[in-house]
Amino acid sequence: GQQLNQSPQSMFIQEGEDVSMNCTSSSIFNTWLWYKQDPGEGPVLLIALYKAGELTSNGRLTAQFGITRKDSFLNISASIPSDVGIYFCAGRGEYGNKLVFGAGTILRVKS
Amino acid sequence: EAGVAQSPRYKIIEKRQSVAFWCNPISGHATLYWYQQILGQGPKLLIQFQNNGVVDDSQLPKDRFSAERLKGVDSTLKIQPAKLEDSAVYLCASSLVPGQTADSGNEQFFGPGTRLTVL
Repeated sequence: GQQLNQSPQSMFIQEGEDVSMNCTSSSIFNTWLWYKQDPGEGPVLLIALYKAGELTSNGRLTAQFGITRKDSFLNISASIPSDVGIYFCAGRGEYGNKLVFGAGTILRVKS
Repeated sequence: EAGVAQSPRYKIIEKRQSVAFWCNPISGHATLYWYQQILGQGPKLLIQFQNNGVVDDSQLPKDRFSAERLKGVDSTLKIQPAKLEDSAVYLCASSLVPGQTADSGNEQFFGPGTRLTVL
């Protein structure tokens, strides 16, 4: 089945630093989504990408849909303590509506 | 706008017992999803409903898991009997009919989840 490889698994960074994480797959996806999950809560959608090559920003967050349609990255600029959480990528393939999730990147910010 | 509601938030049971979770989606959302999220992993789809019909239940362990959405609004997920490996967070999500337009407003909105511990 379709699988997403998300990296890094975890990051511990200094407040103010920029962060980059990515997702890759051997399958083609038509949609890439990035979610954030806080402890004890469900995932919250940050950015949605629908076209290969698309670059979209949401405040300090920027995400790109890879040109091969097999990868995506998420950047967070000037990290702050409230950026702490688990970030998930999710992809929707060419057929059907099912979302496949990566295993997540745990972000910790040292202030 | 109220979000996806789930209850209970936490449940602890012993193996071989039964348990049920409830979900009320965002008003007007035709599609409802149940996910299982094991610690350290991303959510895995168990079942997807559109209105009161099942769209995809290919990853639902049907020997012990069942789900229904009788009136096309709220839904229950049941596990009977529970096993130790069922310990996880069970997330409910809802959306408008997926795939209609490429718009983040059509994507899935998640509830807070129910954390199940099976002893």
